[in-house]
Amino acid sequence: GQNIDQPTEMTATEGAIVQINCTYQTSGFNGLFWYQQHAGEAPTFLSYNVLDGLEEKGRFSSFLSRSKGYSYLLLKELQMKDSASYLCAVMDSNYQLIWGAGTKLIIKP
Amino acid sequence: ETGVTQTPRHLVMGMTNKKSLKCEQHLGHNAMYWYKQSAKKPLELMFVYSLEERVENNSVPSRFSPECPNSSHLFLHLHTLQPEDSALYLCASSQVGGSGANVLTFGAGSRLTVL
Repeated sequence: GQNIDQPTEMTATEGAIVQINCTYQTSGFNGLFWYQQHAGEAPTFLSYNVLDGLEEKGRFSSFLSRSKGYSYLLLKELQMKDSASYLCAVMDSNYQLIWGAGTKLIIKP
Repeated sequence: ETGVTQTPRHLVMGMTNKKSLKCEQHLGHNAMYWYKQSAKKPLELMFVYSLEERVENNSVPSRFSPECPNSSHLFLHLHTLQPEDSALYLCASSQVGGSGANVLTFGAGSRLTVL
């Protein structure tokens, strides 16, 4: 079956760096997405990786290794507003999105 | 109005009620989606309308019935629901085809409680 694994919850300190991992086993691969979802709000798109390597967008970076079935989202200079759930999703060979259960990130002062 | 808007934001219904969730997208996208989000579970795709064609997930119970009258509007009709159907129902839209990733734009969701 197809599966996306990510930690359920993580805690980090304001100003620090945190890495949220995502591993996947899917039927084919057509890209990996990260979304951010604040409590009670819509998920919003953060990043898309289809080739191996690191994509940087300001304080957020996303890394992909297709051979390892692995991605991570790196958040630098953490701010309180980064407290949210982070959803990892992989597009399989049928262009269907397979979702992880999300990682709830708690930022402490 | 911009983006994807969903109404109502909160809905409480009994198991014998009939209600509808509404979604509207103002992005000119050609695909719309219904997802179910339950606590600590992955998003579950329920229905997709893409290029005016309905793609159905066969595991969705018939008590959920989608309607897509045009490319900007999507409804989810609910009847004789069960308590386990209580969840956040998210609508999303995207532009299918062309270059680039198929990025979803989500609405804020309708929080459904079935008593």
